Amino acid sequence: DTEVTQTPKHLVMGMTNKKSLKCEQHMGHRAMYWYKQKAKKPPELMFVYSYEKLSINESVPSRFSPECPNSSLLNLHLHALQPEDSALYLCASSPGSANTGELFFGEGSRLTVL
Amino acid sequence: QQQVKQSPQSLIVQKGGISIINCAYENTAFDYFPWYQQFPGKGPALLIAIRPDVSEKKEGRFTISFNKSAKQFSLHIMDSQPGDSATYFCAASFDNQGGKLIFGQGTELSVKP
Repeated sequence: DTEVTQTPKHLVMGMTNKKSLKCEQHMGHRAMYWYKQKAKKPPELMFVYSYEKLSINESVPSRFSPECPNSSLLNLHLHALQPEDSALYLCASSPGSANTGELFFGEGSRLTVL
Repeated sequence: QQQVKQSPQSLIVQKGGISIINCAYENTAFDYFPWYQQFPGKGPALLIAIRPDVSEKKEGRFTISFNKSAKQFSLHIMDSQPGDSATYFCAASFDNQGGKLIFGQGTELSVKP
């Protein structure tokens, strides 16, 4: 069983809605990530938080807004999304200060934008 | 320069056979080369990883072979089982940009009984 928990597992939203994806880990990891994955494609990095500070933003549109309330929690706030934003959104965490590629992924939140 | 090229795109192997997936990279500054396994409807899971100062690493039925001079690395799955059917991603990363994995395009493996 994965130790990175993501909710909700499925989300359908309209282009004018505001919703949030949530991620939680209790492994004491100090780095957390959001990745986006389209069908039959590899995951693409969106954001990295290291010690609760945003350290990497891969030029993600502002309609995606990350938040790290504490070392165990990571949110992704969604607003005014487009149908092409429909994808599997993966949260991950890693030990230490995000200095290796050893990531622990959650099962993802499958987002559909109508 | 930051690409990782993976082949084949799909692979069908009989039960008990050897599955081989290959990856190539250009940037010699990469520090870490993990393989991730992803089952349908699940997130990727770290399978095995290697650093460039090691030529081979084995964990159970899974082996990474690393050829630094050729800038290539491969995953070998011995005695492949139907339960190994999944998508496999090779990746590369830098230690000072941790968590920023450069993924290959993935290989969909199907192991037939």
